[in-house]
Amino acid sequence: SAVISQKPSRDICQRGTSLTIQCQVDSQVTMMFWYRQQPGQSLTLIATANQGSEATYESGFVIDKFPISRPNLTFSTLTVSNMSPEDSSIYLCSVPTGGASSSGANVLTFGAGSRLTVL
Amino acid sequence: AQSVTQLDSHVSVSEGTPVLLRCNYSSSYSPSLFWYVQHPNKGLQLLLKYTSAATLVKGINGFEAEFKKSETSFHLTKPSAHMSDAAEYFCVVSEETNAGKSTFGDGTTLTVKP
Repeated sequence: SAVISQKPSRDICQRGTSLTIQCQVDSQVTMMFWYRQQPGQSLTLIATANQGSEATYESGFVIDKFPISRPNLTFSTLTVSNMSPEDSSIYLCSVPTGGASSSGANVLTFGAGSRLTVL
Repeated sequence: AQSVTQLDSHVSVSEGTPVLLRCNYSSSYSPSLFWYVQHPNKGLQLLLKYTSAATLVKGINGFEAEFKKSETSFHLTKPSAHMSDAAEYFCVVSEETNAGKSTFGDGTTLTVKP
């Protein structure tokens, strides 16, 4: 399965600033997913990052708040903009374990996550 | 539409005793079901997966789960808990062909006492 590197692993940020999280995969994948895990809660899908097109956002998440880049098949970034304490969460990058094809590949491989604390 | 309910937010067992983590699901089609484990400060790791083959699924680290369609359940079990099993466990339901359409349960924190 793919190996995912995320950075930063953790950061402490000031209210009103923005932070960009990077996700690097060791193989080419069509779809990359960004999840948020708020303290003590489950994972919620923010968006699907598609190479060569705009990201697809889930209900409750907007591009202005969480802009995503996907310049190639192995890399994506998620920016958390104009942060508030409510954005304090773990942000996780994930890809289908099946690799380049998403068809039938509904097992997910996750990065270790980026733990953000907003003061 | 799909949903998943983990019936226990916290489970505490003694080392060497059985583990049972309960999960019920709802789906309008034949779902794929998963259990993932998250150790502190780590990403999620797949424990096991059900995809309409054998109803009893064996996973890593001695865990297994049984798919019961009549009860819409997919409970996770292990005969003998180890200290290293202490972690957060997530039950997940997903469409067969779209990994992005995965719905996560709220998680169960497993504590293992010496």
